[in-house]
Amino acid sequence: EVQLVESGGGLVQPGRSLKLSCAASGFTFSNYYMAWVRQAPKKGLEWVATISTSGSRTYYPDSVKGRFTISRDNAKSSLYLQMNSLKSEDTATYYCARHGGDYWGQGVMVTVSS
Amino acid sequence: DIQMTQSPSFLSATVGDRVTINCKASQNINKYLNWYQQKLGEAPKRLIYNTNSLQTGIPSRFSGSGSGTDYTLTISSLQPEDVATYFCLQHNSGYTFGAGTKLELK
Repeated sequence: EVQLVESGGGLVQPGRSLKLSCAASGFTFSNYYMAWVRQAPKKGLEWVATISTSGSRTYYPDSVKGRFTISRDNAKSSLYLQMNSLKSEDTATYYCARHGGDYWGQGVMVTVSS
Repeated sequence: DIQMTQSPSFLSATVGDRVTINCKASQNINKYLNWYQQKLGEAPKRLIYNTNSLQTGIPSRFSGSGSGTDYTLTISSLQPEDVATYFCLQHNSGYTFGAGTKLELK
Protein backbone atom coordinates (compact mmCIF):
# COMPACT_ATOMS: atom_id res chain seq x y z
CA GLU A 1 0.00 0.00 0.00
CA VAL A 2 1.32 3.39 -1.00
CA GLN A 3 1.76 5.73 1.95
CA LEU A 4 3.02 9.29 2.14
CA VAL A 5 3.42 10.73 5.63
CA GLU A 6 4.32 14.38 6.12
CA SER A 7 5.94 15.84 9.23
CA GLY A 8 7.65 18.99 10.42
CA GLY A 9 4.81 21.47 10.39
CA GLY A 10 3.98 23.95 13.11
CA LEU A 11 3.85 27.59 14.11
CA VAL A 12 6.70 29.79 12.88
CA GLN A 13 7.30 33.53 12.89
CA PRO A 14 7.42 35.55 9.69
CA GLY A 15 10.89 35.58 8.16
CA ARG A 16 11.93 32.33 9.80
CA SER A 17 12.51 28.91 8.24
CA LEU A 18 10.92 25.49 8.46
CA LYS A 19 11.68 22.13 6.85
CA LEU A 20 8.99 19.65 5.99
CA SER A 21 9.58 15.95 5.44
CA CYS A 22 7.58 13.28 3.67
CA ALA A 23 8.25 9.59 4.27
CA ALA A 24 7.21 7.39 1.37
CA SER A 25 6.51 3.66 1.38
CA GLY A 26 4.76 1.03 -0.68
CA PHE A 27 6.35 1.94 -4.01
CA THR A 28 9.77 2.43 -5.58
CA PHE A 29 10.30 6.03 -4.53
CA SER A 30 13.30 6.60 -6.78
CA ASN A 31 11.20 5.90 -9.89
CA TYR A 32 8.81 8.81 -9.40
CA TYR A 33 8.86 12.56 -9.70
CA MET A 34 7.43 14.00 -6.48
CA ALA A 35 5.70 17.25 -5.61
CA TRP A 36 4.51 19.49 -2.81
CA VAL A 37 1.08 21.10 -2.97
CA ARG A 38 -0.45 23.46 -0.42
CA GLN A 39 -3.92 24.60 0.55
CA ALA A 40 -4.48 27.79 2.49
CA PRO A 41 -7.36 27.67 5.01
CA LYS A 42 -10.70 27.46 3.19
CA LYS A 43 -8.93 28.07 -0.13
CA GLY A 44 -8.03 26.09 -3.22
CA LEU A 45 -4.94 24.05 -3.99
CA GLU A 46 -1.63 25.51 -5.14
CA TRP A 47 1.34 23.61 -6.54
CA VAL A 48 4.53 24.50 -4.66
CA ALA A 49 7.38 22.39 -6.07
CA THR A 50 8.28 19.36 -8.16
CA ILE A 51 11.48 17.31 -8.21
CA SER A 52 12.76 14.80 -10.74
CA THR A 53 13.59 11.20 -9.89
CA SER A 54 17.29 11.87 -9.33
CA GLY A 55 16.75 15.27 -7.77
CA SER A 56 18.73 17.01 -10.50
CA ARG A 57 15.75 19.01 -11.75
CA THR A 58 13.40 21.10 -9.66
CA TYR A 59 10.47 23.32 -10.58
CA TYR A 60 8.70 26.08 -8.64
CA PRO A 61 5.98 28.67 -9.22
CA ASP A 62 6.97 32.30 -8.91
CA SER A 63 5.21 32.58 -5.54
CA VAL A 64 7.88 30.48 -3.78
CA LYS A 65 10.85 30.55 -6.18
CA GLY A 66 14.01 31.59 -4.35
CA ARG A 67 12.49 30.92 -0.92
CA PHE A 68 11.52 27.22 -1.05
CA THR A 69 13.77 24.29 -1.94
CA ILE A 70 12.55 20.80 -2.70
CA SER A 71 14.94 17.89 -2.25
CA ARG A 72 14.89 14.14 -1.86
CA ASP A 73 16.88 11.25 -0.42
CA ASN A 74 16.13 8.17 -2.49
CA ALA A 75 18.04 5.93 -0.09
CA LYS A 76 15.63 6.96 2.66
CA SER A 77 12.54 7.22 0.42
CA SER A 78 12.06 10.72 1.72
CA LEU A 79 11.03 14.05 0.25
CA TYR A 80 11.77 17.42 1.80
CA LEU A 81 10.69 21.03 1.51
CA GLN A 82 12.96 23.70 2.96
CA MET A 83 10.97 26.89 3.42
CA ASN A 84 12.87 30.11 4.09
CA SER A 85 11.77 33.73 4.57
CA LEU A 86 8.29 32.56 5.43
CA LYS A 87 5.36 34.93 5.00
CA SER A 88 1.85 34.93 6.47
CA GLU A 89 0.51 33.97 3.05
CA ASP A 90 2.49 30.72 3.27
CA THR A 91 0.10 29.57 6.01
CA ALA A 92 -1.46 26.39 4.64
CA THR A 93 -1.73 22.64 4.83
CA TYR A 94 1.16 21.19 2.86
CA TYR A 95 0.72 17.90 1.04
CA CYS A 96 3.35 15.75 -0.58
CA ALA A 97 2.10 13.95 -3.66
CA ARG A 98 3.36 11.58 -6.25
CA HIS A 99 3.73 13.19 -9.68
CA GLY A 100 0.49 12.87 -11.57
CA GLY A 101 -1.38 13.29 -8.31
CA ASP A 102 -2.49 9.70 -7.80
CA TYR A 103 -1.33 9.50 -4.18
CA TRP A 104 -1.26 12.22 -1.56
CA GLY A 105 -0.25 12.39 2.06
CA GLN A 106 -2.68 13.54 4.72
CA GLY A 107 -0.98 16.91 4.94
CA VAL A 108 0.82 18.93 7.58
CA MET A 109 -0.20 22.38 8.81
CA VAL A 110 2.18 25.32 8.65
CA THR A 111 1.14 28.53 10.37
CA VAL A 112 3.23 31.67 9.85
CA SER A 113 2.35 34.21 12.49
CA SER A 114 3.99 36.42 15.06
CA ASP B 1 1.48 30.03 -16.98
CA ILE B 2 -1.69 28.07 -17.65
CA GLN B 3 -4.80 29.31 -15.86
CA MET B 4 -7.75 27.06 -15.07
CA THR B 5 -11.27 28.46 -14.79
CA GLN B 6 -13.62 26.09 -13.00
CA SER B 7 -17.42 26.43 -12.91
CA PRO B 8 -19.70 26.55 -11.11
CA SER B 9 -18.11 27.43 -7.77
CA PHE B 10 -21.14 26.13 -5.92
CA LEU B 11 -23.69 23.51 -6.89
CA SER B 12 -26.80 22.27 -5.10
CA ALA B 13 -28.40 19.09 -6.45
CA THR B 14 -30.77 16.29 -5.51
CA VAL B 15 -29.92 12.62 -5.06
CA GLY B 16 -30.18 10.97 -8.46
CA ASP B 17 -29.42 14.15 -10.41
CA ARG B 18 -26.89 14.27 -13.23
CA VAL B 19 -24.22 16.77 -12.23
CA THR B 20 -21.61 18.41 -14.43
CA ILE B 21 -18.59 20.48 -13.46
CA ASN B 22 -16.45 22.29 -16.00
CA CYS B 23 -12.85 23.43 -16.29
CA LYS B 24 -11.51 25.68 -18.99
CA ALA B 25 -7.78 26.06 -19.56
CA SER B 26 -6.16 29.21 -20.88
CA GLN B 27 -4.42 27.12 -23.55
CA ASN B 28 -4.45 23.60 -24.93
CA ILE B 29 -3.50 21.13 -22.18
CA ASN B 30 -3.52 18.02 -24.39
CA LYS B 31 -5.95 16.11 -22.16
CA TYR B 32 -3.57 16.24 -19.17
CA LEU B 33 -6.46 16.96 -16.85
CA ASN B 34 -7.31 15.21 -13.60
CA TRP B 35 -10.36 15.51 -11.34
CA TYR B 36 -10.26 15.27 -7.55
CA GLN B 37 -12.77 14.94 -4.76
CA GLN B 38 -11.98 16.45 -1.38
CA LYS B 39 -14.07 15.93 1.72
CA LEU B 40 -13.76 18.11 4.78
CA GLY B 41 -10.48 17.50 6.60
CA GLU B 42 -9.21 14.96 4.09
CA ALA B 43 -6.59 14.93 1.38
CA PRO B 44 -7.80 15.17 -2.21
CA LYS B 45 -8.69 11.86 -3.87
CA ARG B 46 -8.10 11.40 -7.59
CA LEU B 47 -11.25 10.37 -9.45
CA ILE B 48 -10.27 10.77 -13.11
CA TYR B 49 -6.86 11.11 -14.77
CA ASN B 50 -5.89 12.27 -18.22
CA THR B 51 -9.40 13.51 -18.99
CA ASN B 52 -11.37 10.27 -19.01
CA SER B 53 -9.53 7.43 -17.24
CA LEU B 54 -11.33 6.29 -14.11
CA GLN B 55 -9.13 5.78 -11.06
CA THR B 56 -9.26 2.23 -9.70
CA GLY B 57 -11.93 1.88 -7.05
CA ILE B 58 -13.93 4.94 -8.08
CA PRO B 59 -17.60 4.29 -8.89
CA SER B 60 -18.53 4.29 -12.56
CA ARG B 61 -21.06 7.09 -12.04
CA PHE B 62 -18.04 9.41 -12.28
CA SER B 63 -16.79 10.16 -15.78
CA GLY B 64 -14.68 12.75 -17.54
CA SER B 65 -14.57 14.18 -21.03
CA GLY B 66 -13.03 16.98 -23.00
CA SER B 67 -10.16 18.06 -25.18
CA GLY B 68 -8.14 21.12 -26.01
CA THR B 69 -9.10 23.72 -23.43
CA ASP B 70 -12.50 22.46 -22.24
CA TYR B 71 -13.09 19.60 -19.81
CA THR B 72 -16.04 18.20 -17.88
CA LEU B 73 -16.59 15.97 -14.87
CA THR B 74 -19.96 14.23 -14.83
CA ILE B 75 -21.66 12.42 -11.97
CA SER B 76 -24.40 10.44 -13.66
CA SER B 77 -26.57 9.89 -10.58
CA LEU B 78 -25.68 11.89 -7.50
CA GLN B 79 -25.35 9.96 -4.24
CA PRO B 80 -25.29 11.40 -0.70
CA GLU B 81 -21.65 10.39 -0.27
CA ASP B 82 -20.68 12.57 -3.24
CA VAL B 83 -21.09 15.73 -1.17
CA ALA B 84 -17.61 17.24 -1.35
CA THR B 85 -15.51 19.85 -3.11
CA TYR B 86 -14.24 18.94 -6.57
CA PHE B 87 -11.08 20.27 -8.20
CA CYS B 88 -9.55 19.95 -11.62
CA LEU B 89 -5.79 19.85 -12.14
CA GLN B 90 -3.88 20.41 -15.35
CA HIS B 91 -0.46 18.75 -15.51
CA ASN B 92 0.48 19.48 -19.10
CA SER B 93 2.80 22.29 -18.06
CA GLY B 94 3.54 22.51 -14.34
CA TYR B 95 0.48 22.03 -12.21
CA THR B 96 -2.52 24.36 -12.02
CA PHE B 97 -5.65 23.65 -10.05
CA GLY B 98 -9.13 24.92 -10.63
CA ALA B 99 -10.64 26.97 -7.80
CA GLY B 100 -13.03 24.20 -6.81
CA THR B 101 -16.74 23.39 -6.91
CA LYS B 102 -18.56 22.83 -3.64
CA LEU B 103 -21.30 20.27 -4.18
CA GLU B 104 -24.15 20.06 -1.70
CA LEU B 105 -27.45 18.22 -1.52
CA LYS B 106 -30.59 20.22 -2.11
